[in-house]
Amino acid sequence: RKEVEQDPGPFNVPEGATVAFNCTYSNSASQSFFWYRQDCRKEPKLLMSVYSSGNEDGRFTAQLNRASQYISLLIRDSKLSDSATYLCVVNKGRTSNYQLIWGAGTKLIIKP
Amino acid sequence: NAGVMQNPRHLVRRRGQEARLRCSPMKGHSHVYWYRQLPEEGLKFMVYLQKENIIDESGMPKERFSAEFPKEGPSILRIQQVVRGDSAAYFCASSPIPGANHTEAFFGQGTRLTVV
Repeated sequence: RKEVEQDPGPFNVPEGATVAFNCTYSNSASQSFFWYRQDCRKEPKLLMSVYSSGNEDGRFTAQLNRASQYISLLIRDSKLSDSATYLCVVNKGRTSNYQLIWGAGTKLIIKP
Repeated sequence: NAGVMQNPRHLVRRRGQEARLRCSPMKGHSHVYWYRQLPEEGLKFMVYLQKENIIDESGMPKERFSAEFPKEGPSILRIQQVVRGDSAAYFCASSPIPGANHTEAFFGQGTRLTVV
């Protein structure tokens, strides 16, 4: 089992729709969780950190479910510019807090 | 405040040559991470360095690859005797406080290595 797993997609979604994807992680000791966005052939950029209580930033909502060991990302009122690959990132755990484990990404395509 | 700077952006090498990739972290960051991304795949951790120290190189191939982060100057990822399978995007990231919760990593624009 991979340490961080994501559905690779692609998710083809009409503009204005709501889309959600999950990411599962295997290490129960992980403490830090992030969603990054990567546009084609560019560097990843932080979209949002994921906090225990869940957090929202505009149209984006991130949730953490420790019991089931997954994090989710919800995008409301999707825009064409949301088309990208979304990377789930989890830190390795208490003894290796600096080491971030990356999912392979979920590709999202927003269609007009 | 300049971001993480990587150079070159694109590098073409023939099989058997050496590739040197450079990374200057953000100002005030002294922790550098190197990642490799193959086409259509996620980022793979290679190595974590502090100034003059390799902290974790568990993701580095055992042969031909090495990394350093000298007291002065950029971090260098060195690939000797490159093979076609080394063709990938190599990203460098830096962070201010490793180990702190929710420490984000800031990425450079990457070096795209093509081995011909």
